[in-house]
Amino acid sequence: DGGITQSPKYLFRKEGQNVTLSCEQNLNHDAMYWYRQDPGQGLRLIYYSQIVNDFQKGDIAEGYSVSREKKESFPLTVTSAQKNPTAFYLCASSIRADSNQPQHFGDGTRLSIL
Amino acid sequence: GQQLNQSPQSMFIQEGEDVSMNCTSSSIFNTWLWYKQEPGEGPVLLIALYKAGELTSNGRLTAQFGITRKDSFLNISASIPSDVGIYFCAGLKAGGTSYGKLTFGQGTILTVHP
Repeated sequence: DGGITQSPKYLFRKEGQNVTLSCEQNLNHDAMYWYRQDPGQGLRLIYYSQIVNDFQKGDIAEGYSVSREKKESFPLTVTSAQKNPTAFYLCASSIRADSNQPQHFGDGTRLSIL
Repeated sequence: GQQLNQSPQSMFIQEGEDVSMNCTSSSIFNTWLWYKQEPGEGPVLLIALYKAGELTSNGRLTAQFGITRKDSFLNISASIPSDVGIYFCAGLKAGGTSYGKLTFGQGTILTVHP
């Protein structure tokens, strides 16, 4: 089946530790996105990538890093600089960043602090 | 940053009732999207609207793209218990230097009592 796969489903981080969230898509989409969702709030954009080997900061990029070495993959690293990392993280993709086509989402990773 | 005003924030209804929610914006969008999110999962696209004035249905769901391009509404008819979840509107701008950024509403939490 075509879709977006996020792993792991649940992740725990210790103080001072970097953790990496995986996002893989087999939809042949050019554009990929990472969002953060906090309770009672809408989704906020962390980073996005329009094409392989390119990515741009979103609205809340501080304390996060990404890479886009392959079209199918867009991993997100939550660094120790992110002081409030507990949240639900959602990855999305769309055909092209400059199209009017909708983004489709994975099932998310819930990150908690130990 | 730009925001969408989504209302109501929450709704408690009886099974069989109709539901209506809406989103308004201070700026124009090219595309309006409605997503549903269930606990612990990613948002799932319900309806996409691409043209001002467009009225689109998906089963018991009907959504409209406002004539001014600054608003949209979603109706659910004859609600059932599985309609429970959070409904998000999202506006999309595309073309030019835009990267297709989605702007989300805060969500409407729907509870359906059997």
